[in-house]
Amino acid sequence: AQSVTQPDIHITVSEGASLELRCNYSYGATPYLFWYVQSPGQGLQLLLKYFSGDTLVQGIKGFEAEFKRSQSSFNLRKPSVHWSDAAEYFCAVGPYGGYNKLIFGAGTRLAVHP
Amino acid sequence: DAGVTQSPTHLIKTRGQQVTLRCSPKSGHDTVSWYQQALGQGPQFIFQYYEEEERQRGNFPDRFSGHQFPNYSSELNVNALLLGDSALYLCASSSPKTGGTHNEQFFGPGTRLTVL
Repeated sequence: AQSVTQPDIHITVSEGASLELRCNYSYGATPYLFWYVQSPGQGLQLLLKYFSGDTLVQGIKGFEAEFKRSQSSFNLRKPSVHWSDAAEYFCAVGPYGGYNKLIFGAGTRLAVHP
Repeated sequence: DAGVTQSPTHLIKTRGQQVTLRCSPKSGHDTVSWYQQALGQGPQFIFQYYEEEERQRGNFPDRFSGHQFPNYSSELNVNALLLGDSALYLCASSSPKTGGTHNEQFFGPGTRLTVL
């Protein structure tokens, strides 16, 4: 079955600390992987995406993610968190081509302490 | 360049009523997908429209239906509303014509539906 698991429901970090949000997926075909961020009352904003090539991808707002096929993981990282990064983060997987239904994880809510 | 727009922003209905939500895709996009996001959960795929036809559907009952117009805008209709239909409804647009087959989806701000 196709699925995305985000093991951490809530994460709290101090401002300036590093961050890693975990994502594991189960997908039969070649996955196209995404990380989205959602601020309260807002829609989803794409942080980064991965299909092929370099397994370390850079995104907006200083985020990066590393694809590890052997672990079926696509973890999101940021070296130094800012208070404005507090939001909910969603990992998603979809097909490379064709009709692009996205399967989302349940999300990780990030809180940032000053 | 306007992104994906949705209307209304908020909506309150009672059980058994019907509701219509609207979405205008990002300029240059021709494919619209709808997602339901219940409180505390990730978005769940409802269906996708391309060339005015439903191309793919998620695990949602027939009470959920949609339409796409020639200008690529779309409507989501939900009949016989249930309390469990309360959620944020997100519209996303994409286009296989831009960026090849890398179907990146751009999301709108959503419509918050409350069913009482």
